[in-house]
Amino acid sequence: EVQLVESGGGLVQPGGSLRLSCAASGFTLSNYWMYWVRQAPGKGLVWVSRISTDGSSTNYADSVKGRFTIARDNAKNTLYLQMNSLRAEDTAVYYCVRADKGLDYWGQGTLVTVSS
Amino acid sequence: QSVLTQPPSVSGAPGQRVTISCTGSSSNIGAGHDVHWYQQLPGTAPKVLIYSNTNRPSGVPDRFSGSKSGTSASLAITGLQAEDEADYFCQSYDRSLSASVFGGGTKLTVL
Repeated sequence: EVQLVESGGGLVQPGGSLRLSCAASGFTLSNYWMYWVRQAPGKGLVWVSRISTDGSSTNYADSVKGRFTIARDNAKNTLYLQMNSLRAEDTAVYYCVRADKGLDYWGQGTLVTVSS
Repeated sequence: QSVLTQPPSVSGAPGQRVTISCTGSSSNIGAGHDVHWYQQLPGTAPKVLIYSNTNRPSGVPDRFSGSKSGTSASLAITGLQAEDEADYFCQSYDRSLSASVFGGGTKLTVL
């Protein structure tokens, strides 16, 4: 069974940092592009970043470019999102997502709250 | 303001048919990029409903169908059921932004 389990969310002050992790199981992580998608409370889905199968190619939404870094460790079956210089508008549930036929598997999400 | 435009809400009675539109531009849907549709039930993560414009993953009822034409795509739901009440999002790729993009979402209410 495919599972994606995010961790690392929490309350952080503006300007602070957090690192999200996503533990993948039930499939071979190295075969798939992976995405981070976020959803602010009561709002829609917003693409954040994506990474190629071997990590050599990464893309970011303009709103997070230069502040967030996506990475993966295929040997550890884990996807990461390093988030620096956090702002109030980064407050959201962050989903780790596998890309195959569309975005076909989603984690349960981890809540990041940026507030003083 | 989302790159892909969806109606904020649609509604229908049980058994009826509803459609949800997703309007893009020549840099995304009109450029030939695939459109995917997701259903998000209250308090849960999204789930893929239609991928690559018209394809249903296994387990998705054939009451759900997708289409694409020009710079727009549509999701149709026939034989509406109470459990279809959810938020629906379309997604594609925008070559001008070099980014994956979502529609703003449509809330379906089953009357």
